[in-house]
Amino acid sequence: GAVVSQHPSRVICKSGTSVKIECRSLDFQATTMFWYRQFPKKSLMLMATSNEGSKATYEQGVEKDKFLINHASLTLSTLTVTSAHPEDSSFYICSGTRTSGGDEQFFGPGTRLTVL
Amino acid sequence: AQTVTQSQPEMSVQEAETVTLSCTYDTSENNYYLFWYKQPPSRQMILVIRQEAYKQQNATENRFSVNFQKAAKSFSLKISDSQLGDTAMYFCAFMKLYPWNDMRFGAGTRLTVKP
Repeated sequence: GAVVSQHPSRVICKSGTSVKIECRSLDFQATTMFWYRQFPKKSLMLMATSNEGSKATYEQGVEKDKFLINHASLTLSTLTVTSAHPEDSSFYICSGTRTSGGDEQFFGPGTRLTVL
Repeated sequence: AQTVTQSQPEMSVQEAETVTLSCTYDTSENNYYLFWYKQPPSRQMILVIRQEAYKQQNATENRFSVNFQKAAKSFSLKISDSQLGDTAMYFCAFMKLYPWNDMRFGAGTRLTVKP
């Protein structure tokens, strides 16, 4: 149990376009979902925390107008990278915590974004 | 703000030997969780072991155990009988509980198990 999926797993886009990444909790309800960014051979950096039905809380230095997060239901959160540029190329990982007992985060497999 | 420090960027161990990965953290919280995650080349984060701060007993999970020193804010991972499949990046993580349980990761330790 506690499986999180992400779609797509890989995406390549042109500079200036927008890309949407979906994060779904498949067998549990996730009150809170998190979005991380990971550069090659680096650690996971928390970008934002989203609670279902509320505006996301962004970490310092993360542009909320560039990285739009929507958490419309207890099983789906989306991250939209608007007007993507090559420096946005990275590995994006989402996670969720169960509604009942948020003592662990369950991670998705990640999405590799390449902006040309 | 919480910080997590892993001072060993890379480590190696012979198969069947024991290795210890170190982790220290800084927090003013009293209740929190600590985790060790494994990230193989697939990049999928895999939970290795976790420790609740209010528990004095060190967590164990088969070949994996931790040495949790709350006063020293230290949380090391011991891997016994290392196997080739243990080769991966290992991240130490701190999770606070309120207002929501966001997680902070250390820089990671790349562990190589040699045959």
